[in-house]
Amino acid sequence: EIVMTQSPATLSVSPGERATLSCRASQSVSSNLAWYQQRPGQAPRLLFYGPSTRATGIPARFSGSGSGTEFTLTISSLQSEDFAVYYCQQYNNWPLTFGGGTKVEIK
Amino acid sequence: EVQLVESGEVFVQPGGSLRLSCATSGFTFSSYAMYWVRQAPGKGLEWVSAINGDGRKTYYADSVKGRFTISRDNSGNTLYLQMSSLGAEDTAKYYCAKNSIGYYGDNWGQGTPVIVSS
Repeated sequence: EIVMTQSPATLSVSPGERATLSCRASQSVSSNLAWYQQRPGQAPRLLFYGPSTRATGIPARFSGSGSGTEFTLTISSLQSEDFAVYYCQQYNNWPLTFGGGTKVEIK
Repeated sequence: EVQLVESGEVFVQPGGSLRLSCATSGFTFSSYAMYWVRQAPGKGLEWVSAINGDGRKTYYADSVKGRFTISRDNSGNTLYLQMSSLGAEDTAKYYCAKNSIGYYGDNWGQGTPVIVSS
Protein backbone atom coordinates (compact mmCIF):
# COMPACT_ATOMS: atom_id res chain seq x y z
CA GLU A 1 0.00 0.00 0.00
CA ILE A 2 1.26 3.47 -0.88
CA VAL A 3 1.37 5.71 2.17
CA MET A 4 0.62 9.37 1.57
CA THR A 5 2.11 11.77 4.11
CA GLN A 6 0.94 15.37 4.29
CA SER A 7 2.76 18.15 6.05
CA PRO A 8 2.33 20.14 8.08
CA ALA A 9 -0.69 18.73 9.90
CA THR A 10 -1.80 22.28 10.71
CA LEU A 11 -0.81 25.51 8.99
CA SER A 12 -1.62 28.86 10.61
CA VAL A 13 -1.77 31.61 8.03
CA SER A 14 -3.06 35.18 7.97
CA PRO A 15 -5.57 36.19 5.28
CA GLY A 16 -3.75 37.42 2.20
CA GLU A 17 -0.65 35.37 2.91
CA ARG A 18 0.70 32.44 0.89
CA ALA A 19 0.23 28.85 2.00
CA THR A 20 2.29 25.89 0.81
CA LEU A 21 1.10 22.36 1.54
CA SER A 22 3.15 19.23 0.96
CA CYS A 23 2.17 15.67 0.07
CA ARG A 24 4.72 12.88 -0.12
CA ALA A 25 4.17 9.34 -1.44
CA SER A 26 6.04 6.32 -0.08
CA GLN A 27 6.73 5.27 -3.68
CA SER A 28 6.23 6.90 -7.05
CA VAL A 29 2.65 7.61 -8.09
CA SER A 30 3.77 9.23 -11.35
CA SER A 31 1.34 12.12 -11.95
CA ASN A 32 -1.68 10.26 -10.59
CA LEU A 33 -2.42 12.55 -7.69
CA ALA A 34 -5.45 14.63 -6.76
CA TRP A 35 -6.03 17.36 -4.20
CA TYR A 36 -9.30 18.03 -2.37
CA GLN A 37 -10.60 20.78 -0.12
CA GLN A 38 -13.02 20.00 2.69
CA ARG A 39 -14.73 22.82 4.54
CA PRO A 40 -16.37 22.10 7.91
CA GLY A 41 -19.58 20.13 7.53
CA GLN A 42 -19.17 19.80 3.78
CA ALA A 43 -18.20 17.07 1.34
CA PRO A 44 -14.73 17.11 -0.21
CA ARG A 45 -14.33 19.17 -3.37
CA LEU A 46 -11.85 18.33 -6.10
CA LEU A 47 -9.19 21.02 -6.59
CA PHE A 48 -6.58 19.40 -8.84
CA TYR A 49 -5.79 16.20 -10.61
CA GLY A 50 -2.85 15.14 -12.71
CA PRO A 51 -1.60 16.89 -10.26
CA SER A 52 -1.57 20.38 -11.74
CA THR A 53 -4.81 20.44 -13.73
CA ARG A 54 -7.29 22.72 -12.01
CA ALA A 55 -10.80 21.33 -11.59
CA THR A 56 -13.82 23.28 -12.81
CA GLY A 57 -14.44 26.48 -10.90
CA ILE A 58 -11.24 26.46 -8.86
CA PRO A 59 -9.75 29.97 -8.57
CA ALA A 60 -6.38 30.77 -10.09
CA ARG A 61 -4.87 31.54 -6.67
CA PHE A 62 -4.67 27.76 -6.22
CA SER A 63 -1.87 25.87 -7.97
CA GLY A 64 -0.66 22.28 -7.86
CA SER A 65 2.69 20.82 -8.83
CA GLY A 66 4.96 17.82 -8.50
CA SER A 67 5.41 14.30 -9.78
CA GLY A 68 6.74 10.99 -8.57
CA THR A 69 6.78 11.19 -4.81
CA GLU A 70 6.72 14.91 -4.01
CA PHE A 71 3.71 17.17 -4.55
CA THR A 72 2.78 20.69 -3.52
CA LEU A 73 -0.45 22.64 -3.28
CA THR A 74 0.00 26.40 -3.10
CA ILE A 75 -2.58 29.05 -2.28
CA SER A 76 -1.09 32.37 -3.31
CA SER A 77 -3.23 34.72 -1.22
CA LEU A 78 -5.51 33.13 1.32
CA GLN A 79 -9.13 34.19 1.35
CA SER A 80 -11.56 33.54 4.20
CA GLU A 81 -13.22 30.68 2.32
CA ASP A 82 -9.89 28.88 1.90
CA PHE A 83 -9.57 28.01 5.58
CA ALA A 84 -10.33 24.31 5.44
CA VAL A 85 -8.71 20.88 5.46
CA TYR A 86 -6.84 19.76 2.34
CA TYR A 87 -6.25 16.13 1.33
CA CYS A 88 -4.15 14.51 -1.35
CA GLN A 89 -5.07 11.16 -2.90
CA GLN A 90 -3.04 8.87 -5.15
CA TYR A 91 -4.79 6.93 -7.87
CA ASN A 92 -1.78 5.19 -9.37
CA ASN A 93 -2.05 1.94 -7.43
CA TRP A 94 -4.64 -0.13 -5.61
CA PRO A 95 -5.65 0.42 -2.92
CA LEU A 96 -6.30 4.10 -3.45
CA THR A 97 -4.95 6.08 -0.52
CA PHE A 98 -5.46 9.52 0.98
CA GLY A 99 -3.06 11.59 2.98
CA GLY A 100 -3.96 12.47 6.55
CA GLY A 101 -4.84 16.04 5.65
CA THR A 102 -3.51 19.53 6.34
CA LYS A 103 -5.74 21.92 8.23
CA VAL A 104 -5.27 25.53 7.15
CA GLU A 105 -6.38 27.78 9.98
CA ILE A 106 -6.55 31.50 10.56
CA LYS A 107 -3.51 32.91 12.33
CA GLU B 1 -25.82 19.43 -13.18
CA VAL B 2 -24.25 16.36 -11.62
CA GLN B 3 -26.06 15.23 -8.48
CA LEU B 4 -25.22 12.40 -6.10
CA VAL B 5 -27.51 11.60 -3.17
CA GLU B 6 -26.59 8.93 -0.65
CA SER B 7 -29.13 7.17 1.53
CA GLY B 8 -29.41 4.23 3.90
CA GLU B 9 -30.29 3.27 7.44
CA VAL B 10 -28.25 5.23 9.95
CA PHE B 11 -28.12 2.90 12.97
CA VAL B 12 -27.06 -0.73 12.98
CA GLN B 13 -26.00 -3.12 15.71
CA PRO B 14 -22.53 -4.66 15.80
CA GLY B 15 -22.40 -7.67 13.50
CA GLY B 16 -25.30 -6.35 11.46
CA SER B 17 -25.69 -5.49 7.80
CA LEU B 18 -26.66 -2.40 5.90
CA ARG B 19 -27.00 -1.29 2.29
CA LEU B 20 -26.17 2.23 1.17
CA SER B 21 -27.48 3.71 -2.05
CA CYS B 22 -26.20 6.60 -4.13
CA ALA B 23 -28.74 7.96 -6.59
CA THR B 24 -27.18 9.90 -9.43
CA SER B 25 -28.29 12.26 -12.17
CA GLY B 26 -26.86 14.78 -14.60
CA PHE B 27 -24.32 12.52 -16.33
CA THR B 28 -24.13 9.26 -18.26
CA PHE B 29 -23.79 6.99 -15.24
CA SER B 30 -22.61 3.87 -17.08
CA SER B 31 -19.65 5.76 -18.57
CA TYR B 32 -17.95 6.49 -15.27
CA ALA B 33 -16.32 4.59 -12.49
CA MET B 34 -17.57 5.37 -9.00
CA TYR B 35 -16.18 5.00 -5.53
CA TRP B 36 -17.10 5.13 -1.85
CA VAL B 37 -15.04 7.02 0.69
CA ARG B 38 -15.72 7.20 4.41
CA GLN B 39 -14.79 9.59 7.18
CA ALA B 40 -14.92 8.57 10.82
CA PRO B 41 -15.94 11.34 13.24
CA GLY B 42 -13.14 13.90 13.49
CA LYS B 43 -10.85 11.87 11.22
CA GLY B 44 -9.56 12.01 7.66
CA LEU B 45 -10.80 10.46 4.45
CA GLU B 46 -10.51 6.70 3.88
CA TRP B 47 -11.13 5.13 0.49
CA VAL B 48 -13.45 2.12 0.79
CA SER B 49 -14.30 0.66 -2.61
CA ALA B 50 -14.47 1.42 -6.33
CA ILE B 51 -16.24 -0.01 -9.36
CA ASN B 52 -15.71 0.57 -13.06
CA GLY B 53 -18.38 1.76 -15.46
CA ASP B 54 -19.80 -1.60 -16.53
CA GLY B 55 -19.56 -3.05 -13.04
CA ARG B 56 -17.21 -5.86 -13.99
CA LYS B 57 -14.22 -4.60 -12.01
CA THR B 58 -14.41 -3.93 -8.30
CA TYR B 59 -11.77 -2.90 -5.80
CA TYR B 60 -11.74 -2.83 -2.00
CA ALA B 61 -9.69 -1.52 0.88
CA ASP B 62 -8.22 -4.31 2.99
CA SER B 63 -10.25 -3.05 5.96
CA VAL B 64 -13.52 -3.97 4.24
CA LYS B 65 -12.56 -6.78 1.89
CA GLY B 66 -14.82 -9.78 2.35
CA ARG B 67 -17.39 -7.74 4.30
CA PHE B 68 -18.46 -5.03 1.83
CA THR B 69 -19.73 -5.41 -1.73
CA ILE B 70 -19.95 -2.57 -4.21
CA SER B 71 -22.37 -2.80 -7.11
CA ARG B 72 -24.22 -0.60 -9.55
CA ASP B 73 -27.48 -0.52 -11.48
CA ASN B 74 -26.71 1.28 -14.71
CA SER B 75 -30.34 1.21 -15.81
CA GLY B 76 -31.35 2.99 -12.60
CA ASN B 77 -28.27 5.23 -12.31
CA THR B 78 -27.63 4.03 -8.76
CA LEU B 79 -24.53 2.90 -6.90
CA TYR B 80 -24.72 0.57 -3.91
CA LEU B 81 -22.56 -0.51 -1.00
CA GLN B 82 -23.66 -3.66 0.82
CA MET B 83 -21.99 -3.80 4.22
CA SER B 84 -21.98 -6.79 6.57
CA SER B 85 -20.28 -7.90 9.79
CA LEU B 86 -20.23 -4.27 10.84
CA GLY B 87 -18.17 -3.14 13.78
CA ALA B 88 -17.65 0.10 15.66
CA GLU B 89 -14.71 0.86 13.37
CA ASP B 90 -17.15 1.18 10.47
CA THR B 91 -18.92 4.13 12.11
CA ALA B 92 -18.40 7.02 9.70
CA LYS B 93 -19.99 9.29 7.15
CA TYR B 94 -19.98 7.50 3.79
CA TYR B 95 -19.57 9.51 0.60
CA CYS B 96 -20.09 8.34 -2.95
CA ALA B 97 -18.16 10.10 -5.70
CA LYS B 98 -18.17 10.06 -9.47
CA ASN B 99 -14.73 9.29 -10.83
CA SER B 100 -13.15 10.94 -13.81
CA ILE B 101 -10.59 9.56 -16.25
CA GLY B 102 -8.65 8.32 -13.26
CA TYR B 103 -10.00 7.00 -9.99
CA TYR B 104 -10.38 10.36 -8.31
CA GLY B 105 -13.62 12.00 -7.28
CA ASP B 106 -14.67 14.92 -9.43
CA ASN B 107 -18.17 15.13 -7.95
CA TRP B 108 -19.23 14.08 -4.46
CA GLY B 109 -22.46 13.48 -2.61
CA GLN B 110 -23.14 15.07 0.75
CA GLY B 111 -22.58 11.80 2.57
CA THR B 112 -24.73 9.55 4.73
CA PRO B 113 -23.91 8.63 8.33
CA VAL B 114 -23.57 5.06 9.53
CA ILE B 115 -23.48 4.44 13.28
CA VAL B 116 -22.65 0.97 14.53
CA SER B 117 -23.72 0.70 18.13
CA SER B 118 -25.64 -1.55 20.47
